[in-house]
Amino acid sequence: EAEVAQSPRYKITEKSQAVAFWCDPISGHATLYWYRQILGQGPELLVQFQDESVVDDSQLPKDRFSAERLKGVDSTLKIQPAELGDSAMYLCASSSLWTGGRGNEQFFGPGTRLTVL
Amino acid sequence: GEDVEQSLFLSVREGDSSVINCTYTDSSSTYLYWYKQEPGAGLQLLTYIFSNMDMKQDQRLTVLLNKKDKHLSLRIADTQTGDSAIYFCAESVTGYSTLTFGKGTMLLVSP
Repeated sequence: EAEVAQSPRYKITEKSQAVAFWCDPISGHATLYWYRQILGQGPELLVQFQDESVVDDSQLPKDRFSAERLKGVDSTLKIQPAELGDSAMYLCASSSLWTGGRGNEQFFGPGTRLTVL
Repeated sequence: GEDVEQSLFLSVREGDSSVINCTYTDSSSTYLYWYKQEPGAGLQLLTYIFSNMDMKQDQRLTVLLNKKDKHLSLRIADTQTGDSAIYFCAESVTGYSTLTFGKGTMLLVSP
């Protein structure tokens, strides 16, 4: 069964360092999402891509976060410099327009757990 | 803006039914979803319902929607220990718009 892949699964870094997360969506899924999930909260959208274009990055802290999906397939989310408050789970999800009427069914990867010390 | 509220915790015994509740504020929500998250894992879509429906059943899962009160519930029949997880309610305005998630309800099933 096709899955969304993410790496690394865990990342520990010191504040002011740079970190990067990678996501490979399900093959053929044009839409890719990055979410941040703080412990005890639901996921919050950081950025949404349609193919290689950003559709929504209104909640992305652009002074330190950047995201790209250069060839419209896999994607990288970067934080520079990392701050203590960035400690969270970073989830990637993908979806297809062809959902068979299931609405915006998003398929999630296992996430990257970031700890900033 | 949109807001989705859920109770934080539910504890049941194995074999009982579980009912997880959710309220939302956006009256234009078209799709409502229930996702499950097991420890250390991503989210898995359990079921969904269109806003023009009031009930949907899928094996042990029953979703009830009261659109007037903007209230959604998920009933799990014959709850098993493997159902222990966090359950998220989510809504979207269209079939292709972003999802707004609640904070999640932790379901603990004891033997």
